[in-house]
Parts: sequence; structure tokens; C-alpha cells
Amino acid sequence: QQQVKQSPQSLIVQKGGISIINCAYENTAFDYFPWYQQFPGKGPALLIAIRPDVSEKKEGRFTISFNKSAKQFSLHIMDSQPGDSATYFCAASWGAGAQKLVFGQGTRLTINP
Amino acid sequence: ETGVTQTPRHLVMGMTNKKSLKCEQHLGHNAMYWYKQSAKKPLELMFVYNFKEQTENNSVPSRFSPECPNSSHLFLHLHTLQPEDSALYLCASSQETGYGTDTQYFGPGTRLTVL
Repeated sequence: QQQVKQSPQSLIVQKGGISIINCAYENTAFDYFPWYQQFPGKGPALLIAIRPDVSEKKEGRFTISFNKSAKQFSLHIMDSQPGDSATYFCAASWGAGAQKLVFGQGTRLTINP
Repeated sequence: ETGVTQTPRHLVMGMTNKKSLKCEQHLGHNAMYWYKQSAKKPLELMFVYNFKEQTENNSVPSRFSPECPNSSHLFLHLHTLQPEDSALYLCASSQETGYGTDTQYFGPGTRLTVL
């Protein structure tokens, strides 16, 4: 029940296309859903995050769509660029205090020029 | 130095060795974390420290021993490890505000190989 399931494991998108990564969870106590981006040799970095009281959050070319009833959320990258090639992780946490993030398995995204 | 730094970046050790990983955050945060990143598994939270007090031990084997002497430094002491402990060990820090939406800032990790 603590798991966050992420798909696909890998994704290849043409430059200018839309990249979509999906995540699903079971624990209804989760109340914070961040996405992290990781480049080779670097630690993950926060990309965008959402609380379950909104269905969508957009920051530049990155959008999170959130479906509370289905317990699913997804990351959309519009106009994907080669510089977006990285591994993306969805995560979830609950409660106050220092976060205890539960991560998805990760998606390796490759944007072909 | 800025952000979160980790040393060493690479470590090879035998199963009978004792070594330590070091993490330092230069962000003035009050919470620090250890994660394990394996090739076949999601990022796994190992330990959480909040104001130097351990608030989470995610069923981690006792061969991993954390230490947080102050809010800027975090150590992971390793002894009698197994080959399956080979992984990237990531440190993170955050400013805990009580709202549960704090951003965690990660270091680059220590790549550990256990022979």
C-alpha cells in the first residue's frame, strides 16, 4: 500500500512532442505528490509538485494532472527538448513534519533531436 | 561549497571493512535524509533526521548506522556490508516547515561497490 507505481520504464519522444509519464498509488493518506528529475551523475531535483485539492498544475512546459478518484497522477512535458532527456521520478508523501517520500521506479526519457 | 555535498563520490569496500559516508548541507536546513538508489528498485528512504533527532528508520539493517552530529552534517557508517548493498547512496536536506510540502535538495550521491 506504500508503493507508487510508475510507467513506462523508458520513453523515447521526438523533439517537439509531448512526453507523458504516469503514476498510480493506493494509500489515500498521501497528500503531496512531487516529481523529480535526475540527470546522470547528479542527485534528483524537484521539478514540480501538486496537492490533491487541485486537478492540474502547470509550470512552463511541465504539467501535472491529478485524478484523486482514480488515485493516479501524470507528468506531461510539452514541446519536449533534448535537454529534457533524464530520468523522472514521481513520489508521494503524507502528513506534516520531515517528508517521508515514497518514490516510483523511475522513467528514463530520451528526446530525439 | 553550495547545496548538498557528499564524500566520497565513489567507494569500493570489502565485506569486512568499515567505512563512512559524509554529507554536508550548506542551505541552513533542519532536516536531513539518507536514500538508497539501486538499479532495479525505486529510491528507498533509509533514515530521516529532524533537528538532529532521528525520526525515521525505514527497517534498515543494523550494518548501516547513521549519525547526525549537527543539522549541517550527516554520516552513514558502514560495516560488514553485503554485495547487495552496492548502490548509489543519496543524501538530501530540507527546511521542515510543518506543512509537508518541503522541497528536498539532493546531493550527487556516493557510488558504493561492495566486493
